[in-house]
Amino acid sequence: DAGVIQSPRHEVTEMGQEVTLRCKPISGHNSLFWYRQTMMRGLELLIYFNNNVPIDDSGMPEDRFSAKMPNASFSTLKIQPSEPRDSAVYFCASMVGGKMNTEAFFGQGTRLTVV
Amino acid sequence: GQQVMQIPQYQHVQEGEDFTTYCNSSTTLSNIQWYKQRPGGHPVFLIQLVKSGEVKKQKRLTFQFGEAKKNSSLHITATQTTDVGTYFCAGPNSNTGKLIFGQGTTLQVKP
Repeated sequence: DAGVIQSPRHEVTEMGQEVTLRCKPISGHNSLFWYRQTMMRGLELLIYFNNNVPIDDSGMPEDRFSAKMPNASFSTLKIQPSEPRDSAVYFCASMVGGKMNTEAFFGQGTRLTVV
Repeated sequence: GQQVMQIPQYQHVQEGEDFTTYCNSSTTLSNIQWYKQRPGGHPVFLIQLVKSGEVKKQKRLTFQFGEAKKNSSLHITATQTTDVGTYFCAGPNSNTGKLIFGQGTTLQVKP
């Protein structure tokens, strides 16, 4: 397996533009997470899906952020409109969830810069 | 809500010195995981502890899970420059299963 695949690796966009980040989890993993990492705030959990259903989105900063998981092999995180303070590295991670959860595998991340 | 806290936030050591990072959860955990993130990289799984009081070793790294399953530690003996990075602990929420990470401890090693 190629691991968790995220695209794009880097994104530079102007304030106000829509940004869509993509993630392909590892086949067979039923849990998917979106994290945001900044120097100031560390690694923050944005949203958690289990079996394609959003279980906890309490970390989503505001209505400008939305995430979907239309099927077990694809998820998107959308920011509309984007703002400079959204600049961060966004990680997607997947694992086999449940009572005996396994390790989480992270993608390489998307480095987002909003100017 | 459930919180996972780590200390210290940063640690600078001379190569050859030991290093320890501590992790505390506000609730009892079914298991705890440790990850390492190299500069510019992504978090990579190191180990999972499940049993109360469990101790596991990986070469110079020693991981402990507290008796109450609410705290954990990672100890590195005789640090090397290759140990540089940020070390995270993570535990699953008992209700939802979401994986909550601590803030991480960033280790710098001076040669």
